[in-house]
Formats: sequence, structure tokens, C-alpha cells
Amino acid sequence: DTAVSQTPKYLVTQMGNDKSIKCEQNLGHDTMYWYKQDSKKFLKIMFSYNNKELIINETVPNRFSPKSPDKAHLNLHINSLELGDSAVYFCASSQDGVRTLGGQYFGPGTRLLVL
Amino acid sequence: KNEVEQSPQNLTAQEGEFITINCSYSVGISALHWLQQHPGGGIVSLFMLSSGKKKHGRLIATINIQEKHSSLHITASHPRDSAVYICAVSNPPDSNYQLIWGAGTKLIIKP
Repeated sequence: DTAVSQTPKYLVTQMGNDKSIKCEQNLGHDTMYWYKQDSKKFLKIMFSYNNKELIINETVPNRFSPKSPDKAHLNLHINSLELGDSAVYFCASSQDGVRTLGGQYFGPGTRLLVL
Repeated sequence: KNEVEQSPQNLTAQEGEFITINCSYSVGISALHWLQQHPGGGIVSLFMLSSGKKKHGRLIATINIQEKHSSLHITASHPRDSAVYICAVSNPPDSNYQLIWGAGTKLIIKP
């Protein structure tokens, strides 16, 4: 069983569309994260939720909105997609709210391409 | 030249062999991370290092800050160690969240 799963794995869409990426973890972790990896391979945190509560909200456009229906799920909704949103988005989870990468389990990534 | 370079890109070895994967970086960092990605896609953080050496089971990670170099060693390798191993550094040095990833080393351990 995959510990952290993301859907879809690939997403190709037009500028201006609204899309969602789903993330689920079956590890029983309390904290989940969304990271964005750009073309230069930089991985930057976007959001973190602990037990459905937002604890980290880095500087990202308001078009990005995380939603956590329960502590096993953290979905990412993106409105009015722009070309610059093209990237690989990684979901991760950890047992507690670690503020570093260590101890986090990552999903396989969702490659988003905005045309 | 990439800020984080890994070698080798691909490594095939027999079960039981001692494995070394190297990582060199050219930027200032606050920490270096080793991650493991299995064929199923999931990525697991193995180590976070800012100095010295860490050991977890058969895995050993070392870092030399002066030389900007880190190594990941696997002792008594096993086919289940087959995965992609990724080196990533935290940059800029005051951030633990912005990471630069290496290209990864694909390791195959044959029984």
C-alpha cells in the first residue's frame, strides 16, 4: 500500500482553468504538507496542516487554497491557473509538526502543465 | 553546473555489497537531506545532516561541510534497498523549507 498517494499523477490544462490535486496518507500522521518543485528543482513549502488546522501558509497566491476534510487528506485547489503554476507538486505527511524535512513521507508528485 | 551533483547516476550491485552514493554541492546550506524514492513513487526522508555522521540500521550518512560533500553508505545491501536515492540541500542557509534536489542515483541490488 502506498503510504502517501496523490491524484492525478499528471495534469495538463489550459490557462484560466480551476483544478484540484488530491492527497491521502494512510500512515495515521497528524501533519500534512504541500510543496512545489519548480523547473530548477527547488522544493518550497506552500502549506502545512496539523489535524485539519492550517499551521504554515507560506507566501503563495490566493488562487491556491488547501482543503483538509480530515487529517488523512489534504487537497490543493488552484483557481485561474497561470503558466507559472507549471511545476511538480508534492504532498507529504509526518507524525508531528516537524519544521524540517526530516521525518516526512512524500507522495510521488503531481506534474502540472499549464498551456 | 547544478548546485547539487550526485554520483553515480546509476548503480547496480550484488546483494551483500557495500554501497556508496556521493553528493557534492556548491551553495551555502543549513542542512543536507538524503531521501529514498521507491519504484511505487513514494519518497521517504532518510537523514537530515548538518555535520558529522548519522546511522540508521544499515544506512550511514556523512557530511563534510568544508568540502561540501556528503556520502550515503549502505552496508550488507539487499534487493529491497533498490530505489532512487536523492540528495537535497536546504538553501538559503536560513531556510529549512526551500530545497535544491540532486538528480538522484538509481540503485539496483541483484539477488
